[in-house]
Amino acid sequence: GENVEQHPSTLSVQEGDSAVIKCTYSDSASNYFPWYKQELGKRPQLIIDIRSNVGEKKDQRIAVTLNKTAKHFSLHITETQPEDSAVYFCAAGNTGGFKTIFGAGTRLFVKA
Amino acid sequence: EAQVTQNPRYLITVTGKKLTVTCSQNMNHEYMSWYRQDPGLGLRQIYYSMNVEVTDKGDVPEGYKVSRKEKRNFPLILESPSPNQTSLYFCASSLKGLAGYNEQFFGPGTRLTVL
Repeated sequence: GENVEQHPSTLSVQEGDSAVIKCTYSDSASNYFPWYKQELGKRPQLIIDIRSNVGEKKDQRIAVTLNKTAKHFSLHITETQPEDSAVYFCAAGNTGGFKTIFGAGTRLFVKA
Repeated sequence: EAQVTQNPRYLITVTGKKLTVTCSQNMNHEYMSWYRQDPGLGLRQIYYSMNVEVTDKGDVPEGYKVSRKEKRNFPLILESPSPNQTSLYFCASSLKGLAGYNEQFFGPGTRLTVL
């Protein structure tokens, strides 16, 4: 079946450094790629998303890139801060339906 | 306040005892979905609904049932719970836009333990 692979599973960076999380999807019909942040004990919340007609999207310190040919998409966080510490999930879906496949998550630690 | 609510938030039960986890949203969203979250496996979709009376299986539907009789409610039913259904469950909803669905809004989660 369809799946989304996410790497790395754990990432530790120094405050101020950049963090990159990568995902690969298998379903070529996927056209919507959101990223969710989940702080400890809380619910996932959307931080950024991208659709297949766009190659890159940026929102302040967060950016997402999409390579449809290679079926890769990545999250880039610049100037990391301790409050960026959380689990990040990528996902792939097709907006013609509502089936959504999530990656296994990346636990990001930002050391002060 | 716009929100997704789930009840109960915590539940400990025994194998075979039927249970229902309720989910309700007040945002008039068309799409609703149930996920389970297990360590190392991320969020896995159980069932989803694109509108009233329209439901479909996600990746892990075995052992679960859902219904969507009203737009705001999407209960998850475990007819005969087993220990492998011990997990953290999230309900989510999303608005249907011109380009399909968008951001999913998650409920606070229900931690279920089946003994």
